[in-house]
Amino acid sequence: KAGVTQTPRYLIKTRGQQVTLSCSPISGHRSVSWYQQTPGQGLQFLFEYFSETQRNKGNFPGRFSGRQFSNSRSEMNVSTLELGDSALYLCASSAQGLAGINEQFFGPGTRLTVL
Amino acid sequence: DQQVKQNSPSLSVQEGRISILNCDYTNSMFDYFLWYKKYPAEGPTFLISISSIKDKNEDGRFTVFLNKSAKHLSLHIVPSQPGDSAVYFCAASAEGAQKLVFGQGTRLTINP
Repeated sequence: KAGVTQTPRYLIKTRGQQVTLSCSPISGHRSVSWYQQTPGQGLQFLFEYFSETQRNKGNFPGRFSGRQFSNSRSEMNVSTLELGDSALYLCASSAQGLAGINEQFFGPGTRLTVL
Repeated sequence: DQQVKQNSPSLSVQEGRISILNCDYTNSMFDYFLWYKKYPAEGPTFLISISSIKDKNEDGRFTVFLNKSAKHLSLHIVPSQPGDSAVYFCAASAEGAQKLVFGQGTRLTINP
């Protein structure tokens, strides 16, 4: 079974631009979560989508948004990029939706650099 | 407010010995705990998990212990192997939510 895939793997943008990152979950997984990893803040939860609906949200500004499609693929968008948005963005999928399954499986991440 | 804490940024262990990684949490609503291993430039890899109804879970060389009264969990790796060298994160979730709260990570180095 193929793992979680994320595209692109690396991205360089300038301040003020916007960016869209893509995630394809493991086949059959309906929950997709996004995390931001930075040296200072560690791994922080952005949001989670399940069946095309945002089910959980972390403490990030409205510039960070996401969506999920009917095939469970997900995108996240960051508008008006700031230098502090430079980070590794990780997507994770889970079969959660069945009772008691909470393990999330992560993709390799997209390294975003904002200049 | 750091709800999940890994107080040791790094740990060095001899190959073949036991590695013990520790994690403390403050939120009593957490009921599911996970350990992940992460290599540079890769996403975290799931290792082992434990529900709050248990106090121990074992999978091969990996054992996780949960002490709910102390709000403390630990990961034991026996025997430690060079391939275990990585950053280890503990994570917690509450009430089935997919929102994982991560600790800051512990860098484990296994010396030959």
